[in-house]
Order: sequence, then C-alpha cells, then structure tokens
Amino acid sequence: IAGITQAPTSQILAAGRRMTLRCTQDMRHNAMYWYRQDLGLGLRLIHYSNTAGTTGKGEVPDGYSVSRANTDDFPLTLASAVPSQTSVYFCASSDLAGAGELFFGEGSRLTVL
Amino acid sequence: GQNIDQPTEMTATEGAIVQINCTYQTSGFNGLFWYQQHAGEAPTFLSYNVLDGLEEKGRFSSFLSRSKGYSYLLLKELQMKDSASYLCAVKDSDYKLSFGAGTTVTVRA
Repeated sequence: IAGITQAPTSQILAAGRRMTLRCTQDMRHNAMYWYRQDLGLGLRLIHYSNTAGTTGKGEVPDGYSVSRANTDDFPLTLASAVPSQTSVYFCASSDLAGAGELFFGEGSRLTVL
Repeated sequence: GQNIDQPTEMTATEGAIVQINCTYQTSGFNGLFWYQQHAGEAPTFLSYNVLDGLEEKGRFSSFLSRSKGYSYLLLKELQMKDSASYLCAVKDSDYKLSFGAGTTVTVRA
C-alpha cells in the first residue's frame, strides 16, 4: 500500500512560472490537506478538502489553488510562483469518521528563484 | 484562529524522561494530536487526546486538560532515535488541524 504519493520530490522553478504539485492517496480517505513547512514557522495549512468536490482555504491560501475532482487526487497549483513560496510542501489525508489523524506524503521541496 | 505554543528546543540524556508542553487557544476543539518528525522526513502520528486525562502508548504518553488549554507529551527511557521534532496540533470545529512550530528534542549519550 503506497499511502500518499507526492510528485515531484524536488523542483527548482523560475519566478513567474506555473507549477502543479501532485498528490494521490489510495486509502479512500475523505479529507485531504496541503501544508507548507518553513523553518521556525512549523506546518501551515494552505488549502483543504473534506470531501470530493469541495475545498476550503487554510491559513495561507494566497497564491495557491486546489481542486478535488475525485477522492484520490488533490493537486496544488502555484499560478505564478514567487520566491516566498520556496518551501517544503506536504500533502496529507485523513478519515474524518475516526480520530482523524493525518497521514502525510513524503513532501515536495520547491525552490523558486 | 489558532494559537499553539510549545518550546523551541529541549535537550535530554539517553535513558532520561522529557516532557514537552503545549498550550493552545482555538476556535472550537475536536482533539489534540502529537506528531514526530525526523529531519528531512514527513511527520508521523504519535498520539491523540480528545478527553481530559492521560493516554499511554509504550514509552510515550500524552496528557490533555481542555479547561486549561494544555497538553504535554512525555517521552520515557529516551533513546538516541528519539532525537526529532515533536509537533503539537489541534483539530478545530471544521476538522482542520493547526500545528505549533514544533519542539526539537536532542538526546545526548
């Protein structure tokens, strides 16, 4: 069982370019999340989705968009990347019916120059 | 919004006990989680508290007081592999999980 798969693992991107981080889960969890992690700031929620077809804004949504066309996939798009979006991005999923602990992907390290 | 505070760093000796405190102020409460994160890796789930009291799981225990907005994670019989960052997180009424900045624990021989 793969759990949560993120791609790419690492990417260097020129400012102004468009970038989509992919996230796929095979646990049939209803909820999915995107966090960014920066030194000293911890994990901050960008966007989330409690079920397919719905999305919501987290703490730091500006400059990012998401879609949830089906249960398994939750891509994160940077429409026009800026250097402040340099970070490690973690996708996560949870089963809201239970305790709701998050299961994380391995992360995507993004550098915007 | 959420306000979750935990110490930045702690150091302890192998075999000892360390207690990591977490205080929180949240809009709605649906549980408190502790995660472990080794450098360069993804966070992994350690414990969950939704009712007041102590939850024990092997060498790790977690305590919650909802009236005080307070939790702690207790690590006993410390091992070198316990050197990691420990993240306190609170689930709000919309089921979103907000994290503290994390506590880096260094275990010395």
